[in-house]
Amino acid sequence: DIQMTQSPSSLSASVGDRVTITCRASQSISTYLNWYQQKPGKAPKLLIYVASTLQSGVPSRFSGSGSGTDFTLTISGLQPEDFATYFCQQTYSTPLVTFGGGTKVDIK
Amino acid sequence: QVQLQESGPGLVKPSQTLSLTCSVSGGSIAGGGFFWSWIRQHPGKALEYIGHIYDIGSTYYNPSLKSRVTISVDTSQNQFSLKLRSVTAADTAVYYCARTRDYSNYINWIDPWGQGKPVTVSS
Repeated sequence: DIQMTQSPSSLSASVGDRVTITCRASQSISTYLNWYQQKPGKAPKLLIYVASTLQSGVPSRFSGSGSGTDFTLTISGLQPEDFATYFCQQTYSTPLVTFGGGTKVDIK
Repeated sequence: QVQLQESGPGLVKPSQTLSLTCSVSGGSIAGGGFFWSWIRQHPGKALEYIGHIYDIGSTYYNPSLKSRVTISVDTSQNQFSLKLRSVTAADTAVYYCARTRDYSNYINWIDPWGQGKPVTVSS
């Protein structure tokens, strides 16, 4: 299985901060990577697919980049509604997709 | 837009079978371009892909669960279902049903997800 490692596992930030979350794959996955946001007690919500394509309706302060084994999710100007847990998912080994362990973003 | 809703028991005894149904509204399960997935999230927050089914009935199961899992579809009811046999405490999790957009061999994404069904395995 392809292992996905996210870092950090948690971070504290303030409204307006620029936040960067990293996801690393155990082998090259090209750009076959998605990002999801999950708020407490809610289902994950798709933010970005194929590493950098913003899902319809997602604010432009979210952006994704990377290819191969290293990927980043950036939030430019953190908003109160962005405090949540973020997961990456690789689809290179479809049908066996795997997820990162998550990064919790909370209020400093 | 498409919405999904899980239903089924929230408490299952060890060694028994966990059974959940996902009802799809706002769109048809049939029609192609998608497959219908089950994912679970353990209390420690990790997400695990259980498997999926196409509208024509072909399935994929995670090898780690394959011997215990069955996913089926009822297009007439616009529902799909999960059965997980011989459960243990390790199967305690929130179970999500979801639609996966099947764009190409490697390009797919999960959207939307159901709200999730917490299931506890305990006697």
